[in-house]
Amino acid sequence: NAGVTQTPKFQVLKTGQSMTLQCAQDMNHNSMYWYRQDPGMGLRLIYYSASEGTTDKGEVPNGYNVSRLNKREFSLRLESAAPSQTSVYFCASSERSRSSYNEQFFGPGTRLTVL
Amino acid sequence: AQKVTQAQTEISVVEKEDVTLDCVYETRDTTYYLFWYKQPPSGELVFLIRRNSFDEQNEISGRYSWNFQKSTSSFNFTITASQVVDSAVYFCALSFFAGGTSYGKLTFGQGTILTVHP
Repeated sequence: NAGVTQTPKFQVLKTGQSMTLQCAQDMNHNSMYWYRQDPGMGLRLIYYSASEGTTDKGEVPNGYNVSRLNKREFSLRLESAAPSQTSVYFCASSERSRSSYNEQFFGPGTRLTVL
Repeated sequence: AQKVTQAQTEISVVEKEDVTLDCVYETRDTTYYLFWYKQPPSGELVFLIRRNSFDEQNEISGRYSWNFQKSTSSFNFTITASQVVDSAVYFCALSFFAGGTSYGKLTFGQGTILTVHP
């Protein structure tokens, strides 16, 4: 049981390049999330997917797109990377229930640098 | 709009000292959830505790304890007899229960860096 996995762990891009961050979970969770972590700002939600087939914008969606490929996988794409997107990116997942709320489980993170 | 404030940017203590991490939140929702996560130097986020807005009971788990007070919109975290392994960034977070696609949207505080010296 690997939990939430992310690839790659590190990436350096040049301004204008594109890339996709991959995330997979093996906990059969319905909901998945992408966050970015910047110094002094905590984690901010980029996009989330409440269930397979749905995605919604979070707090900071500009410059990103997502794909919920299936129940296990949720990818984040940077179409034209900018230095402002230099950050650590975390993927998370959680069970989804109408009667209670469950904690999110986080992946190890991807450290992205855009030059 | 929701907001979580962790006013303490950094705290430094010596091993065996008790330390309290403050968290103040703002929300208009009547039903919500509060969380604490730990981020050790290795970088991953580790879930510590969840509390819903209807449960103001304080909780103790080993050396950890949490004090939730709706009257002051605070959810503070205390580590008793701190250890070097407690050194980490600690995040307080808030979510709300609104059904549908609003599930699970967490608002995080800025984090408090705790350093425990031997």
